Amino acid sequence: NAGVTQTPKFQVLKTGQSMTLQCAQDMNHEYMSWYRQDPGMGLRLIHYSVGAGITDQGEVPNGYNVSRSTTEDFPLRLLSAAPSQTSVYFCASSSFLNTEAFFGQGTRLTVV
Amino acid sequence: AQTVTQSQPEMSVQEAETVTLSCTYDTSESDYYLFWYKQPPSRQMILVIRQEAYKQQNATENRFSVNFQKAAKSFSLKISDSQLGDAAMYFCAYGNKLVFGAGTILRVKS
Repeated sequence: NAGVTQTPKFQVLKTGQSMTLQCAQDMNHEYMSWYRQDPGMGLRLIHYSVGAGITDQGEVPNGYNVSRSTTEDFPLRLLSAAPSQTSVYFCASSSFLNTEAFFGQGTRLTVV
Repeated sequence: AQTVTQSQPEMSVQEAETVTLSCTYDTSESDYYLFWYKQPPSRQMILVIRQEAYKQQNATENRFSVNFQKAAKSFSLKISDSQLGDAAMYFCAYGNKLVFGAGTILRVKS
């Protein structure tokens, strides 16, 4: 059972470039979310989805887009990368709200 | 908006001793969940323990237990018989969208 798979694990971007962080889960979870982790700030919610076709903004959504066309996949898009988006990104899923969230291994993104 | 505060950036404990990590939160909701997650150097996020606010009994999972004080909005984690493998960053988190605290680094001395 793969759980939550995030790719890539590491990425370096130049300012202004775009990219997509991939997230896939094989547990048939309805709830999926993206977080960013910065030193001294814990994890902050970027976007989340409660099911296919439904997404909503979290605490820090600016500069990021998401879509949820299937239950399994929840990609995070950076349209024009900025140095302030240098961070570690985590994708998570859970069967429904308030149950255990399963996290991917994280993506360390550096924007230069 | 809900907030979660972990006032201890770093804690140290001797192997086999007991340590308590503090967490306070702010919410106007009456029914919610609270979580403690562990993040070892591998970066993987691991659920340690979960507490449902409507349950007065404190949750326990082997050597891990919580002291949940709903009126005080306090949710501390107690680790008994600390082991070297407990060394990690610990995050307190609130609710269904997981509002996280800033984390506490736990160091275990042999």
